[in-house]
Amino acid sequence: ETGVTQSPTHLIKTRGQQVTLRCSSQSGHNTVSWYQQALGQGPQFIFQYYREEENGRGNFPPRFSGLQFPNYSSELNVNALELDDSALYLCASSSHDRGPQETQYFGPGTRLLVL
Amino acid sequence: QKEVEQDPGPLSVPEGAIVSLNCTYSNSAFQYFMWYRQYSRKGPELLMYTYSSGNKEDGRFTAQVDKSSKYISLFIRDSQPSDSATYLCAMTRSGGSNYKLTFGKGTLLTVNP
Repeated sequence: ETGVTQSPTHLIKTRGQQVTLRCSSQSGHNTVSWYQQALGQGPQFIFQYYREEENGRGNFPPRFSGLQFPNYSSELNVNALELDDSALYLCASSSHDRGPQETQYFGPGTRLLVL
Repeated sequence: QKEVEQDPGPLSVPEGAIVSLNCTYSNSAFQYFMWYRQYSRKGPELLMYTYSSGNKEDGRFTAQVDKSSKYISLFIRDSQPSDSATYLCAMTRSGGSNYKLTFGKGTLLTVNP
């Protein structure tokens, strides 16, 4: 069973640019959730994708968008980057059908720095 | 008021000490409570999971939930230097569509040999 992988591991962008982060979910999982973790903070829920549809969104502006593909991998896109977008971006893989007790398995994250 | 409050520490203890980590929460809809461990520059990994009120033990780790007080705890017995990490409490509702996790800020723990 392969774990959750994310790419790239690190990224440096400048303000106003756009970025795409990628996540491969764990085998057998159909749900990917994205979280933003600022330095010294806990992860904050951005949104979730379940069977290729957005299934809930946290308090993030529309310039944060995502996709899920038929193989359940996912992308997070952020447009018009701001300095405050600098953070560790985590994706978590799970099987939504098994309910809230189902463990969400996190990837190692992508560390984004916006200059 | 944040939905989940967690003392960020840092907490420094000698090897072998008993460690107590705590979170309080305000949303009574939370039913599932987790503790994640996050090593530096890594993603969080699930350590303990508890449903509703009660205790759960797994080796040196014990998780407690008191829903009447909206208070959860994680105890680590015989702490080891390898336990040095950030500990995040997280919780989710039983209803709703996406079971999103709401996290505390995390407590940075250092166990000194």
